[in-house]
Amino acid sequence: DAGVTQSPTHLIKTRGQQVTLRCSPKSGHDTVSWYQQALGQGPQFIFQYYEEEERQRGNFPDRFSGHQFPNYSSELNVNALLLGDSALYLCASSSTGKPTEAFFGQGTRLTVV
Amino acid sequence: AQKVTQAQTEISVVEKEDVTLDCVYETRDTTYYLFWYKQPPSGELVFLIRRNSFDEQNEISGRYSWNFQKSTSSFNFTITASQVVDSAVYFCALSEARGNTGKLIFGQGTTLQVKP
Repeated sequence: DAGVTQSPTHLIKTRGQQVTLRCSPKSGHDTVSWYQQALGQGPQFIFQYYEEEERQRGNFPDRFSGHQFPNYSSELNVNALLLGDSALYLCASSSTGKPTEAFFGQGTRLTVV
Repeated sequence: AQKVTQAQTEISVVEKEDVTLDCVYETRDTTYYLFWYKQPPSGELVFLIRRNSFDEQNEISGRYSWNFQKSTSSFNFTITASQVVDSAVYFCALSEARGNTGKLIFGQGTTLQVKP
């Protein structure tokens, strides 16, 4: 049983560019949450997707958007990249009946230069 | 507002020493969950424990134990007889039950280094 998988593992982008990160949830899970973890900090909640809709959003600008597909996989898109967007982006999946039992992927390390 | 504070940024111990990682939280909710996660260098967050706000019993799992005290809003984590493999960043987190989304609020993390 595969856990949560994220791609790519590492990514380098230039300021102003756009990036798409991908997440496949654990089998049986229907909810995907995204977190941003800056170096030396704890993860910060970006948003959560359930039934292909954004259910809750943290304090992040509109440059951060997402999508959930019918197979429950999800994408995180960041437009107009800033140097400060450099971080580890973590995806967590859970099932709607057990929201506190979240499993995390290994993350995507984004570097903006 | 909800908040989690891990005052210890870094802790260094010698193998076999006991070590306690502190966590203090703030919430106005009466029903909430508390968590500890371990983050090795690979980056993945590894779940260690979840506690709901109605269960103040301390818990022991092998060399790990957790002390939950609502009176002081603390949820401390102790590793007994530490080992080099325990070296990692440890995060305490809080989740509100309201809304039932499981959104996690993390502390800043404590980097634990266990030296041989």
